[in-house]
Amino acid sequence: GAVVSQHPSWVICKSGTSVKIECRSLDFQATTMFWYRQFPKQSLMLMATSNEGSKATYEQGVEKDKFLINHASLTLSTLTVTSAHPEDSSFYICSARAPESSYEQYFGPGTRLTVT
Amino acid sequence: KQEVTQIPAALSVPEGENLVLNCSFTDSAIYNLQWFRQDPGKGLTSLLLIQSSQREQTSGRLNASLDKSSGRSTLYIAASQPGDSATYLCAFSNQAGTALIFGKGTTLSVSS
Repeated sequence: GAVVSQHPSWVICKSGTSVKIECRSLDFQATTMFWYRQFPKQSLMLMATSNEGSKATYEQGVEKDKFLINHASLTLSTLTVTSAHPEDSSFYICSARAPESSYEQYFGPGTRLTVT
Repeated sequence: KQEVTQIPAALSVPEGENLVLNCSFTDSAIYNLQWFRQDPGKGLTSLLLIQSSQREQTSGRLNASLDKSSGRSTLYIAASQPGDSATYLCAFSNQAGTALIFGKGTTLSVSS
């Protein structure tokens, strides 16, 4: 099946710094990728939809200037958490939409962000 | 607002039992429904995908059904094993190519 990777798998940063998370589709091209966030014992919540070559679409309540998304190629989307705060500590997961008709989504392994 | 509810939130069973996990959703106009497994601190593993035109899908000891009219899906796990211990999430999309809406999951513990 299709494979999606994320890098890094975990990161610890200090308050006020920025962190970039990469999401790659390894064996297929993805015009659309999605970024989700999951707090402990909570469900995954959609943050934004990333479209190759255009601006991302953010969900209500998600600050676009804080969570910068770039989808510069058909296999790579990046999420940059700017001026990170401890409340941004979470598990960030991306998914890429498969091109077949079923539109199944394939998920990356996630990135654990801890802001100290 | 579209919501996905999973019942029970947690379940503990002895090895060998057959069990059913329930998922209900408020929007009957679904496109796809997926069941995932998530191990602690890990990402998601897709288990089964049911398209809106289908009623069930099977993979090994897993069987998922979909009843759009009642807004329900069930995941049936036969002959449970300790290795099945994980959190099971159901999620659906209501249009082709849109993001998934997730439930909070059912955390399953199978004891040997």
